[in-house]
Amino acid sequence: ETGVTQSPTHLIKTRGQQVTLRCSSQSGHNTVSWYQQALGQGPQFIFQYYREEENGRGNFPPRFSGLQFPNYSSELNVNALELDDSALYLCASRPREVDTEAFFGQGTRLTVV
Amino acid sequence: GENVEQHPSTLSVQEGDSAVIKCTYSDSASNYFPWYKQELGKRPQLIIDIRSNVGEKKDQRIAVTLNKTAKHFSLHITETQPEDSAVYFCAASSSGNQFYFGTGTSLTVIP
Repeated sequence: ETGVTQSPTHLIKTRGQQVTLRCSSQSGHNTVSWYQQALGQGPQFIFQYYREEENGRGNFPPRFSGLQFPNYSSELNVNALELDDSALYLCASRPREVDTEAFFGQGTRLTVV
Repeated sequence: GENVEQHPSTLSVQEGDSAVIKCTYSDSASNYFPWYKQELGKRPQLIIDIRSNVGEKKDQRIAVTLNKTAKHFSLHITETQPEDSAVYFCAASSSGNQFYFGTGTSLTVIP
């Protein structure tokens, strides 16, 4: 309904493993942000990409990395998973040139065991 | 960076009463303030937003006010209904940059 889709919707990984989460944005949305939402908390900003380059980063370690592609899709990669990485991961996209709402994907629920 | 504080963390109102949620922000460069509603297990959905050149905005039962001098903004829901029960998040952003979210308010509307 927002034109932003994420995959997979649910994922279970083992501590120490690596994971890649994907987001497909609306056409024309050249800015994508990734957020981590722990249970009962507000979304915490991980990083933002604009025209395939990272242009903002929150307080997350380097094992959180990302990519943005010319077709408006993006990835969030997390290496060396820790139990505390268990959360809902949301991507949000919008056209950067206009102050407008961010359109959220439905999220990926990551559980690290 | 920006710091957004949100109060209260939980709010219970009787159906038909009003609900008010308040947020403060720290960065005077912030110029866009959306409010999102998130139902359990679902994505945040925009319910209303306001830009820094406007002091108040209304959309049916929902209104938002902004005081730039005091750096605070509030969400007002009138004639609350049970389907208004959800978690509400305020956020602040500046010129296309990332959103900084508040910690959320869990609103329960009692029938």
